[in-house]
Amino acid sequence: DVKVTQSSRYLVKRTGEKVFLECVQDMDHENMFWYRQDPGLGLRLIYFSYDVKMKEKGDIPEGYSVSREKKERFSLILESASTNQTSMYLCASSKFPEGDEQFFGPGTRLTVL
Amino acid sequence: GENVEQHPSTLSVQEGDSAVIKCTYSDSASNYFPWYKQELGKGPQLIIDIRSNVGEKKDQRIAVTLNKTAKHFSLHITETQPEDSAVYFCAAAGGTSYGKLTFGQGTILTVHP
Repeated sequence: DVKVTQSSRYLVKRTGEKVFLECVQDMDHENMFWYRQDPGLGLRLIYFSYDVKMKEKGDIPEGYSVSREKKERFSLILESASTNQTSMYLCASSKFPEGDEQFFGPGTRLTVL
Repeated sequence: GENVEQHPSTLSVQEGDSAVIKCTYSDSASNYFPWYKQELGKGPQLIIDIRSNVGEKKDQRIAVTLNKTAKHFSLHITETQPEDSAVYFCAAAGGTSYGKLTFGQGTILTVHP
């Protein structure tokens, strides 16, 4: 059974803290994605990676960075968390370069106080 | 870039009724249109998809139609059941996007017993 796991289901951080969100997939997928989900805005792409050490900005990369040192792991970093980064964060992976199914993790609900 | 608009934002139906969710997209190069279902506390999961060389696709009680000329596509659920209650997202992808999806805003579907 395919699986995408995220390190935390719920996370509470303070403004200014550095935050790491970890995502691991066991499907040997090339592509990995980080989204944030906000009511009424759908899923918005923050960053994606199509290979180890490769990354591309998505639609809302400001305030975020990513790291992909190994094929199975894709990390989202909030260098200095702010209250407007309070959101649900979803990680996904897919195998083919184009138009294939994305498999999602369960999400991390991040609250920045 | 691609822009996907989804309507309605909420949809309430009685069990056994049909439900229709509509999406429009802006990029004529898009050629892949998946629909995802997100149940409470879970990540989105693909339920059906359609490619631009097909006008309609059906899978049991769900169907998707695509009108390339008008750049819109729709999800149809017949004989709705309470377990169909969830958030539904449409998405679009195409070109050399490395599998990057642009999602609609989501529709909260509630099926009343």
